[in-house]
Amino acid sequence: DQQVKQNSPSLSVQEGRISILNCDYTNSMFDYFLWYKKYPAEGPTFLISISSIKDKNEDGRFTVFLNKSAKHLSLHIVPSQPGDSAVYFCAASWGRSYKYIFGTGTRLKVLA
Amino acid sequence: NAGVTQTPKFRVLKTGQSMTLLCAQDMNHEYMYWYRQDPGMGLRLIHYSVGEGTTAKGEVPDGYNVSRLKKQNFLLGLESAAPSQTSVYFCASSSDSGKLLSYEQYFGPGTRLTVT
Repeated sequence: DQQVKQNSPSLSVQEGRISILNCDYTNSMFDYFLWYKKYPAEGPTFLISISSIKDKNEDGRFTVFLNKSAKHLSLHIVPSQPGDSAVYFCAASWGRSYKYIFGTGTRLKVLA
Repeated sequence: NAGVTQTPKFRVLKTGQSMTLLCAQDMNHEYMYWYRQDPGMGLRLIHYSVGEGTTAKGEVPDGYNVSRLKKQNFLLGLESAAPSQTSVYFCASSSDSGKLLSYEQYFGPGTRLTVT
């Protein structure tokens, strides 16, 4: 049973527009969420995180929104740039766990 | 500061052969992890370690063994490789950075393993 789901395998967006990547989870015990970006032939790199005590966290062009009642989080990238083209993974953790459950990833393509 | 490094980058094995993947980190992190990434499956945790000399099973531990004899190294072993273990393997490390709830993980570049 997939506890963290990214239902869109791919997304294409025009340069300069907003990219919205979505992630749903089923376990209400999750209280910390992260987004990672992965380029081909490289390991994932940390992008942004949010704890369950917040509903929004911003870092430059990247904003993560958390809707606990819907068990849904989203990553907004504004404006999108060609260099943002990558696979994005969301991940969830609970308590002071050292472990994360990762989603299956969404491949973002930003068109110039 | 190299971060997290993995050796080798690529490997082809025949069914039944054994091998060891090496992960090294120079950030003095307490926690280390081994994941596998398969198409449509995301990243799945194989084994992890919360400190030198300790290891624990993750989501998909069968067919793998690990050892953490030194704090900076985490080894993943395949005793008898099977085609189902064809995958990309990522090592990661993390530390108690003072965050209230959890710990960001730093990943290595991956090892692409093919078992024929």
